[in-house]
Amino acid sequence: GAVVSQHPSRVICKSGTSVKIECRSLDFQATTMFWYRQFPKQSLMLMATSNEGSKATYEQGVEKDKFLINHASLTLSTLTVTSAHPEDSSFYICSARPVQGYVNNEQFFGPGTRLTVL
Amino acid sequence: AQKVTQAQTEISVVEKEDVTLDCVYETRDTTYYLFWYKQPPSGELVFLIRRNSFDEQNEISGRYSWNFQKSTSSFNFTITASQVVDSAVYFCALSEDPTGGGNKLTFGTGTQLKVEL
Repeated sequence: GAVVSQHPSRVICKSGTSVKIECRSLDFQATTMFWYRQFPKQSLMLMATSNEGSKATYEQGVEKDKFLINHASLTLSTLTVTSAHPEDSSFYICSARPVQGYVNNEQFFGPGTRLTVL
Repeated sequence: AQKVTQAQTEISVVEKEDVTLDCVYETRDTTYYLFWYKQPPSGELVFLIRRNSFDEQNEISGRYSWNFQKSTSSFNFTITASQVVDSAVYFCALSEDPTGGGNKLTFGTGTQLKVEL
């Protein structure tokens, strides 16, 4: 149990295009999902907290108009990188917090999506 | 604000050696959770342990052990008899969420462990 998937696992796009990344909790419901970004050889930095049915909460310095987050159901959150540029190339990782049924409501991580913007 | 420091950027050991990865944290909360994750080259985070601030007992799981010292705000991780498969980046993380770490995590900068034959 407690499996989180991300799609796609790897994407290459041209500068100026938009890319959508999906995060799904496969066997549990999650009212809260988190989006992290990891640059090469660096740590994971929280970008935003996604809450089902409401607006996401962005961390300081993260442009909400560039990184659109939608959490339309209890099992799916999407991150759309709009007008992507080479500096957006990174490893994006999501995590999901179960509604109930797990010890202390811990969060579970997806396998990550590697975005390369040419 | 919370902060996690992993001073060791990279460690290289020979197989079968013991190795300790250091983690020092800062938080103003009395209730918090500490974590260790392993990130192999594939990128997927592997959960290793969660420890709450009220449980200072050390823990051992196979070749892995953790030493939580609240007095020095440290949560160090030791691998005994290291193996090549242990090569990865290891992250220490902190959550101030009292419900068990389901809130946002603050990660350290990670320690790259290389285990050679």
